[in-house]
Amino acid sequence: DIQMTQSPSSLSASVGDRVTITCRASQGISNYLAWYQQKSGKVPKLLIYAASTLPSGVPSRFTGSGSGTDFTLTIISLQPEDVATYYCQKYNSAPFTFGPGTKVNI
Amino acid sequence: EVQLVESGGGLVQPGGSLRLSCAASGFTFGTFSMIWVRQAPGKGLVWVSYISSSSSTIYYADSVKGRFTISRDNAKNSLYLQMNSLRVEDTAVYYCAMGLPGAYWGPGTLVTVSS
Repeated sequence: DIQMTQSPSSLSASVGDRVTITCRASQGISNYLAWYQQKSGKVPKLLIYAASTLPSGVPSRFTGSGSGTDFTLTIISLQPEDVATYYCQKYNSAPFTFGPGTKVNI
Repeated sequence: EVQLVESGGGLVQPGGSLRLSCAASGFTFGTFSMIWVRQAPGKGLVWVSYISSSSSTIYYADSVKGRFTISRDNAKNSLYLQMNSLRVEDTAVYYCAMGLPGAYWGPGTLVTVSS
């Protein structure tokens, strides 16, 4: 099975900083990669799909890129409401594994 | 407005069974695949199972294969997860989500497996 890793596992940044989270697949998954945001005590929210597509309503400060095995989620200008744990998920084929998560603090 | 509401969670002894339900509204349920995802207390998200819109394709995580059964009733806009031979490590909040990737999620239902 394809393994998903994320780095860093946690980070602390300041408001307005550019933040980058990396997700790596152990084998190529084309662009079948999604990112979710989960705030403390809340339900996960789809942030990006197809590696770089934002669903309607997601702020444009979130961007995704990558293909194959290496992907990044970038928050262009970190806001206080972005404090959350971010997960990547592969969905090219089963098992639809999530990454271990990256906790973002301010 | 898309709504997903899970039910059926609770406290069960190891080896016991539970049936989770997910009631869907606000979208054409029968045209979307559905997934179950769980999250143990303080831990990350874990994909559990997938079912296609027509139920023709079903997948399970290795950790639940042979013990859990996913199903759906498109006439009732409902998704189910039959969980048998439950283990302590199955303790988690169980979420249903619409589509793959999960575009919309329910609030989750807590399953606690403990003696």
